[in-house]
Amino acid sequence: GDSVTQMEGPVTLSEEAFLTINCTYTATGYPSLFWYVQYPGEGLQLLLKATKADDKGSNKGFEATYRKETTSFHLEKGSVQVSDSAVYFCALMDSNYQLIWGAGTKLIIKP
Amino acid sequence: SAVISQKPSRDICQRGTSLTIQCQVDSQVTMMFWYRQQPGQSLTLIATANQGSEATYESGFVIDKFPISRPNLTFSTLTVSNMSPEDSSIYLCSVEEDEGIYGYTFGSGTRLTVV
Repeated sequence: GDSVTQMEGPVTLSEEAFLTINCTYTATGYPSLFWYVQYPGEGLQLLLKATKADDKGSNKGFEATYRKETTSFHLEKGSVQVSDSAVYFCALMDSNYQLIWGAGTKLIIKP
Repeated sequence: SAVISQKPSRDICQRGTSLTIQCQVDSQVTMMFWYRQQPGQSLTLIATANQGSEATYESGFVIDKFPISRPNLTFSTLTVSNMSPEDSSIYLCSVEEDEGIYGYTFGSGTRLTVV
């Protein structure tokens, strides 16, 4: 079945560092791909999405590109802030329109 | 995108009791989804709720433990019955946007602690 694999956390960075959180997927066809963010004590928010190969999703300085050839959707940000500290989830939408979730990656940004 | 109001936001309950979680959506949606997020874990789908029919439960979840109501296209409830400490989790409701192609919107979650 379809699956999503994320890099394990926690990931600890200093403020203004470059961020990459790896996400790879296994799926039949070309699913839509998503990054969700969960700030401490809050629910999930859609951060960005891409619906077809080579699409780039972007929001709040974060970017991710749908790479069909490497089945990847890595999340990047050029300069992180303390307020970016959260758990980030990569997900895909399967052929039944249900979300398949990665395990989540906790990001800690130190001032 | 849809706006979901979920309540309660948190509760501490005694074992053996039940808690009902409510989700109200500001627009009509066909399907609503209920998830559980155990401490430090990813999300697990509990069930899918369509208006006018019984909810569809995922493997490992049963209606007697997690009864769901879906009386109309903007509202749903999830009850966690006969609670034990293992039920301590965050419970989230979700709706699909544009038939799911563009993602899902989530409620703010209910943080449940069973003592």
